[in-house]
This record gives sequence, structure tokens and C-alpha cells, in this order.
Amino acid sequence: QQQVKQSPQSLIVQKGGISIINCAYENTAFDYFPWYQQFPGKGPALLIAIRPDVSEKKEGRFTISFNKSAKQFSLHIMDSQPGDSATYFCAAETSGSRLTFGEGTQLTVNP
Amino acid sequence: EAGVVQSPRYKIIEKKQPVAFWCNPISGHNTLYWYLQNLGQGPELLIRYENEEAVDDSQLPKDRFSAERLKGVDSTLKIQPAELGDSAVYLCASSFYTDTQYFGPGTRLTVL
Repeated sequence: QQQVKQSPQSLIVQKGGISIINCAYENTAFDYFPWYQQFPGKGPALLIAIRPDVSEKKEGRFTISFNKSAKQFSLHIMDSQPGDSATYFCAAETSGSRLTFGEGTQLTVNP
Repeated sequence: EAGVVQSPRYKIIEKKQPVAFWCNPISGHNTLYWYLQNLGQGPELLIRYENEEAVDDSQLPKDRFSAERLKGVDSTLKIQPAELGDSAVYLCASSFYTDTQYFGPGTRLTVL
């Protein structure tokens, strides 16, 4: 029940396109859903996060869509750039508990 | 502001040898985490400290892994003896209580 399932495993997008990564969870006690971006040789870095009281959060080119009834959330990267090429992890947490990560999506944005 | 510092960045050892990783968290962060990241997978929590106290170590294989956080600042994670399956990246993260976690660059361990 602690799992967070992420798809796709890898994604190739053309520059200027939209990248979409999906995650699903089972534990309804999760109340914080962050997305992390990880470049090779670096640790994950927080990109954007959402709490279940809103259905969407946008920061620049990055948007989280959250569907509480379906227990799903997704990351949309608008106008994808080659510099966005990285591995993206969704995660979920209940207050004061551990952060549970998805399996990761390797995004490649072709110039 | 300096980020989370980890050393060494890379370590290659023979199986059955001991190994230790060091982490210096962001100044003022009272919570420190050690994660294991296998290739192509998300990080998995090994242990979480609040100040000097280990508040979640349920996923730490205590037969061979140990950790300490003396004085509630720096932390050391040790493996003794190392096994082939321990080859992975060991990440340290810190946060102010349960706020955003900031990760260090990790230590890539290779066990031969």
C-alpha cells in the first residue's frame, strides 16, 4: 500500500513538445506529492509539489495535475527543452513519515 | 548557501571489506536522511534522524549497516562487511523538520 507506480519508464520528446509523466498511488493517507528532477551524478532536486486540496499547480513550464478520486497525479512539462533531459521521480508522503518514490522516468528532449 | 555535502563521491572496495560514508547537512537542518538508490530506481529510505535520534530505521539492514549522527549535525553510514548487492548510490538528504528534503550528490559504491 506504500507503493507509488510511475510511467512511462522512458520518454523521448522533441524540443517544444509536451512531456507527460504519470503516477498512481494506493495509500489514501498520502498528503504531499512532490516531483523530483535528477541529473546524472547529482542528487534529486525538488521540482514542484502539490497537496490533495488542489487539483492543479503550475510553476513556469511545469504543471502538476492531481486526481484525488482516481489516486493519480501527473507532471506536464510544456515547451520541453534539451536542458530538461533528466530522470524525473514522483513521490508521496504522509505527514511525518517517509517519502516513497516512484521508479523514475528518463526523459530525453531532442533538439 | 552550501548544499548537502557527501564524501567520498566514489568508492570501490572488495566484498567483505568495511566502508563508511560521511554527510554534512545544510546548516540549521535538524532532520537528516540516508537513502539507497539502485540503478534505474527511486531512492529508498534507510534511516531518518531528528537531531541525534534515529526516528525511522526500520529499513536499515542492521546486521551489516550502522549509522550515527553525533551532536546532531554530521552523520556517518557504515557497511561491514560489504556484499556485492550493496553496490548502489548512497544519498544523504536534510530538511528543516519535515519541510522540503535537499539531497546531496551521493556516494557511488562499487563492491567487487
